Amino acid sequence: EAQVTQNPRYLITVTGKKLTVTCSQNMNHEYMSWYRQDPGLGLRQIYYSMNVEVTDKGDVPEGYKVSRKEKRNFPLILESPSPNQTSLYFCASRSWDSGSQPQHFGDGTRLSIL
Amino acid sequence: GENVEQHPSTLSVQEGDSAVIKCTYSDSASNYFPWYKQELGKRPQLIIDIRSNVGEKKDQRIAVTLNKTAKHFSLHITETQPEDSAVYFCAAQRGSGAGSYQLTFGKGTKLSVIP
Repeated sequence: EAQVTQNPRYLITVTGKKLTVTCSQNMNHEYMSWYRQDPGLGLRQIYYSMNVEVTDKGDVPEGYKVSRKEKRNFPLILESPSPNQTSLYFCASRSWDSGSQPQHFGDGTRLSIL
Repeated sequence: GENVEQHPSTLSVQEGDSAVIKCTYSDSASNYFPWYKQELGKRPQLIIDIRSNVGEKKDQRIAVTLNKTAKHFSLHITETQPEDSAVYFCAAQRGSGAGSYQLTFGKGTKLSVIP
């Protein structure tokens, strides 16, 4: 089954404690992306990757890091989480060809930073 | 960069009526416009999309129209049903150049269909 898998689904942690949210897709997609969703603000892009070792900032990259060492994985790293990073996070992927392909979303990760 | 405005933010309709959600975009280079439906606690799921070389697309009760000159596009849902209740997001994407393939979302419309 084609899917984007995020882990964990839920996490409550404390300020300053490094955490990683993993994202894996099994569709051989070149493009992967991270979004955060906050009430009234919609989905805002954090980082994206067009292929292995190619990443770039989205609209709200501050406080986040990513890496793309393998095509299927695109982890989101919060080196020193703060309460304003409490949010619902989605990973998404899509095929690169033609550019007009829909994004497939994971089930989301709800992060609470105390 | 691209800016997508979506209206209204909330919409209530009676079951069986039509619902219309409108979006405008700022970047004339955008050429792909998907619509996503997000049910409570779930991930966004694509319901329909349109490319800039097409003015209208229909899929059963759902249709999307695009006016490139005015830079706006709309989602139309006819014969609404309670299961249509959800948050709907429009988005716009550039096909080439700087920032291409980035998807910019509107802030969402919460649609409530009243039985």
